[in-house]
Amino acid sequence: DVKVTQSSRYLVKRTGEKVFLECVQDMDHENMFWYRQDPGLGLRLIYFSYDVKMKEKGDIPEGYSVSREKKERFSLILESASTNQTSMYLCASSSTRLRETQYFGPGTRLLVL
Amino acid sequence: GENVEQHPSTLSVQEGDSAVIKCTYSDSASNYFPWYKQELGKRPQLIIDIRSNVGEKKDQRIAVTLNKTAKHFSLHITETQPEDSAVYFCAASNSNSGYALNFGKGTSLLVTP
Repeated sequence: DVKVTQSSRYLVKRTGEKVFLECVQDMDHENMFWYRQDPGLGLRLIYFSYDVKMKEKGDIPEGYSVSREKKERFSLILESASTNQTSMYLCASSSTRLRETQYFGPGTRLLVL
Repeated sequence: GENVEQHPSTLSVQEGDSAVIKCTYSDSASNYFPWYKQELGKRPQLIIDIRSNVGEKKDQRIAVTLNKTAKHFSLHITETQPEDSAVYFCAASNSNSGYALNFGKGTSLLVTP
């Protein structure tokens, strides 16, 4: 059974803080994704990665960066958190063999004050 | 890039009735169309998907149809039950150009007893 975990379910940070959101998958998936989910806007892709040390910008990369040093771990970094980054962040992974099926983590609800 | 439109944004049906959610996409090269269900407070989960070489696919009470010419696809849920209440997301991707999914904005389905 695929398991995707995220480091925190809830997080409260202050404006200007550096924030790290971590995602780990245990199925040896090559592909990993970060989305943010806001009411009425659906799931919007921030960044994704096809392999270790590789990253691709999604639709809304501004204000975010990512790191993938190990295959199972994909980190989302908010260099200087702002209030408009208050959101639900969802991580997902997929295998190249069954490439399109994405498995989601439980999400991290981030509040930036 | 790909643009996926989803309608309606909210849908309320009585238990036992059918529910239909419709999506349109813009990129004629898109060839994979999954549907995800997200229950309140939970992660999105794949419920059914269809590829561009198939016109219809069924799995018990849910079915998806695809019209490539018109570039739209639909989710049909028959004999709805209260546990079908959730947010449903459609998505589209072109697997030949990568593994990222483009999601619609979601439909909140409420099934009343």
